Amino acid sequence: DTEVTQTPKHLVMGMTNKKSLKCEQHMGHRAMYWYKQKAKKPPELMFVYSYEKLSINESVPSRFSPECPNSSLLNLHLHALQPEDSALYLCASSPRGQQKFFGPGTRLTVL
Amino acid sequence: SQQGEEDPQALSIQEGENATMNCSYKTSINNLQWYRQNSGRGLVHLILIRSNEREKHSGRLRVTLDTSKKSSSLLITASRAADTASYFCATDRGSDKLIFGTGTRLQVFP
Repeated sequence: DTEVTQTPKHLVMGMTNKKSLKCEQHMGHRAMYWYKQKAKKPPELMFVYSYEKLSINESVPSRFSPECPNSSLLNLHLHALQPEDSALYLCASSPRGQQKFFGPGTRLTVL
Repeated sequence: SQQGEEDPQALSIQEGENATMNCSYKTSINNLQWYRQNSGRGLVHLILIRSNEREKHSGRLRVTLDTSKKSSSLLITASRAADTASYFCATDRGSDKLIFGTGTRLQVFP
């Protein structure tokens, strides 16, 4: 299995909702990532987990809360988001210092 | 910002022509990677070139790296309509942080 899966594909939520994005990989990669991508912009790094521990937080607002329950799973919990948080959220995994394998993304719309 | 710059921002060519995209970055790197993204979808890794390499080939792709100028180029030869996508360079400094450039939108007309 050489792919990263993300669910849901699309998500619409209100500013008072709590929702979660899920990412899964079964390639045994030790690092997992969350990126945020606005339209016609490059992906921006949000969080990095290495060996299931949060190693990098790119000063992301606390309304985004990552979680890595095990080496195959990565979640992104969302709470009290703003309309400007609407974007494509991409998950990726990789062995160290090598290419990243990206999932198809979750298209998030905050109303 | 650590973000790399790519040029051109957009490129339109006919099938069969070659497409060249350039990437400049600001810091020392362990490797530089190129990715393709079809409209609104996930990114696909194309090629990785390490800081001690100067040129790398993969099928119709040729990547060069000049660490003294902090620049890289991606050449796609004999382009096809299916190559239509956005292309991003990304720099890896060895700290798990992969930072993407601004991207080039390539349109290949049949």
